[in-house]
Amino acid sequence: DTEVTQTPKHLVMGMTNKKSLKCEQHMGHRAMYWYKQKAKKPPELMFVYSYEKLSINESVPSRFSPECPNSSLLNLHLHALQPEDSALYLCASSQGTGGSLVPQYFGPGTRLLVL
Amino acid sequence: KQEVTQIPAALSVPEGENLVLNCSFTDSAIYNLQWFRQDPGKGLTSLLLIQSSQREQTSGRLNASLDKSSGRSTLYIAASQPGDSATYLCAVFIQGAQKLVFGQGTRLTINP
Repeated sequence: DTEVTQTPKHLVMGMTNKKSLKCEQHMGHRAMYWYKQKAKKPPELMFVYSYEKLSINESVPSRFSPECPNSSLLNLHLHALQPEDSALYLCASSQGTGGSLVPQYFGPGTRLLVL
Repeated sequence: KQEVTQIPAALSVPEGENLVLNCSFTDSAIYNLQWFRQDPGKGLTSLLLIQSSQREQTSGRLNASLDKSSGRSTLYIAASQPGDSATYLCAVFIQGAQKLVFGQGTRLTINP
């Protein structure tokens, strides 16, 4: 099973709302990632968790707050977003973060629209 | 700073043709290179992973090659089918940075 699941598939929120994106994998992977992808652009890395600890934050605004409750789950909490934050949010996982331990497996994404 | 370039940006060919997608990167200090496929509005599907010590990988009609010294990789698709229509992304895993760097992708259309 090489599946990464993400919920919800679509999300519409206002700029004052608080919402969360959820990602789950059951492959025993110890690294999990959040990416943001705008239309016709490649994914941009936001956060990396390794063994449930945040290891990389690519200078993401604090209105995005990641959380890794356990080795299978990754959440992205959203608060006071801006319309320019509308994008496809992708979760990925890999066995580890060392270069020899990729590949990364991606989920189907959550399409977010901020009004 | 590692930069990854994919040429062409878009490609349209008739069904049945063999085709080559190109990927180049500026810094040869990579662990590996990964080719992905992305259908519109969907997530990424990993197609092939080539370790830096390898020259090529094959999966079905797909063959990916890597020339690390020249900073180039190619994805060869044999006997293309309309179902191959998608955006193809290459990404390199940088030594020491613990992250993938993506190219801009090639949007492929296979016409029946």
